Amino acid sequence: AQSVSQHNHHVILSEAASLELGCNYSYGGTVNLFWYVQYPGQHLQLLLKYFSGDPLVKGIKGFEAEFIKSKFSFNLRKPSVQWSDTAEYFCAVNGGGLYNFNKFYFGSGTKLNVKP
Amino acid sequence: EAQVTQNPRYLITVTGKKLTVTCSQNMNHEYMSWYRQDPGLGLRQIYYSMNVEVTDKGDVPEGYKVSRKEKRNFPLILESPSPNQTSLYFCASTHPGSASDTQYFGPGTRLTVL
Repeated sequence: AQSVSQHNHHVILSEAASLELGCNYSYGGTVNLFWYVQYPGQHLQLLLKYFSGDPLVKGIKGFEAEFIKSKFSFNLRKPSVQWSDTAEYFCAVNGGGLYNFNKFYFGSGTKLNVKP
Repeated sequence: EAQVTQNPRYLITVTGKKLTVTCSQNMNHEYMSWYRQDPGLGLRQIYYSMNVEVTDKGDVPEGYKVSRKEKRNFPLILESPSPNQTSLYFCASTHPGSASDTQYFGPGTRLTVL
């Protein structure tokens, strides 16, 4: 069965520290990959997505992610976090291409606390 | 303004009392989906719909029904709610395949089943 694993459940960083959140997926085929952020009490917002092309994807708020097909990974990075990045982060995957755009699979989430 | 709306936002009910959570989007999106969010489990997809009259099961469809009679609406129906359906529910929509697509999420419905 398809699945998404996020290795870090809770990460605590100081402001200006660098961030890397791991995401590995299990999916037999072409994939679309996503990172979402959920600020406290709010709904999910898209940070970035990978459909095809350049495996290094840049998103909003200085986030980026790299798709490494051989490792089935899509790790999220940010060089210097801010207190306002405190949130829960979710990795997600679904089948690639228009005709496979069906089920979504989400990881269990990583809570990031950034200390001012 | 592009948005996904859900109603109600909060609901407390009792076991066995049928309820419907509505979801509506104003972006003419073909794809709509329902998720439940539980601590430590992330989001799990309940049902999704590729277009009007086309629905399919996600990962956790048991105990839920959906319908897609119009493109903009995708209600979630709990015919006989049970306490294990206490959760935070999100509706989402997108236009799959377009270069600028993104999945828009609604504000969430917090459901408590006593």
